[in-house]
Amino acid sequence: DTAVSQTPKYLVTQMGNDKSIKCEQNLGHDTMYWYKQDSKKFLKIMFSYNNKELIINETVPNRFSPKSPDKAHLNLHINSLELGDSAVYFCASSQDYSGGLDTQYFGPGTRLTVL
Amino acid sequence: EDQVTQSPEALRLQEGESSSLNCSYTVSGLRGLFWYRQDPGKGPEFLFTLYSAGEEKEKERLKATLTKKESFLHITAPKPEDSATYLCAVQADQAGTALIFGKGTTLSVSS
Repeated sequence: DTAVSQTPKYLVTQMGNDKSIKCEQNLGHDTMYWYKQDSKKFLKIMFSYNNKELIINETVPNRFSPKSPDKAHLNLHINSLELGDSAVYFCASSQDYSGGLDTQYFGPGTRLTVL
Repeated sequence: EDQVTQSPEALRLQEGESSSLNCSYTVSGLRGLFWYRQDPGKGPEFLFTLYSAGEEKEKERLKATLTKKESFLHITAPKPEDSATYLCAVQADQAGTALIFGKGTTLSVSS
């Protein structure tokens, strides 16, 4: 029973290409997130979606666009990929955005390599 | 600016050698502190949430504690399977539900 899943696990592409990463959660959670983990293993929030509405955008370049077709899915589309976009991208979900302290559960990650 | 600092960056222990990992934080208003474990090539796995100073939580060989400025993750009699990167994260008043992570402590336990 995979709670938070991501596809693909590995993504290798050329600079300038456009790519998407998909995320699905089967926990019935209301809020989903995208985090970026750089080469030094530092995790940083990119986006958060609550019931298909964007509620956080941490100064991420507008080449990155999250898309949520429903509350169980949050996809990340990246335009015009750059070398600096190489990282591991993690999707996460939590129960409810009511200002509470809900635990976030993470997916297995997608390792993006831009050549 | 909200910030989380973990120390040491790396820790090597012999099996059975107890130790502690530190997480110090500077946030505008702490709503909660989280500990995660991350194995190579995997996503962070939730361990504990601490809400207020003085709170303690335990799970097997791990015990997490919280003060007003820092949290400790105590590892008692570790085993090789405890080897992983341990991540500390906070939720702060100004950051909504997003987690602010430290850079982690990589623990290696040898038999």
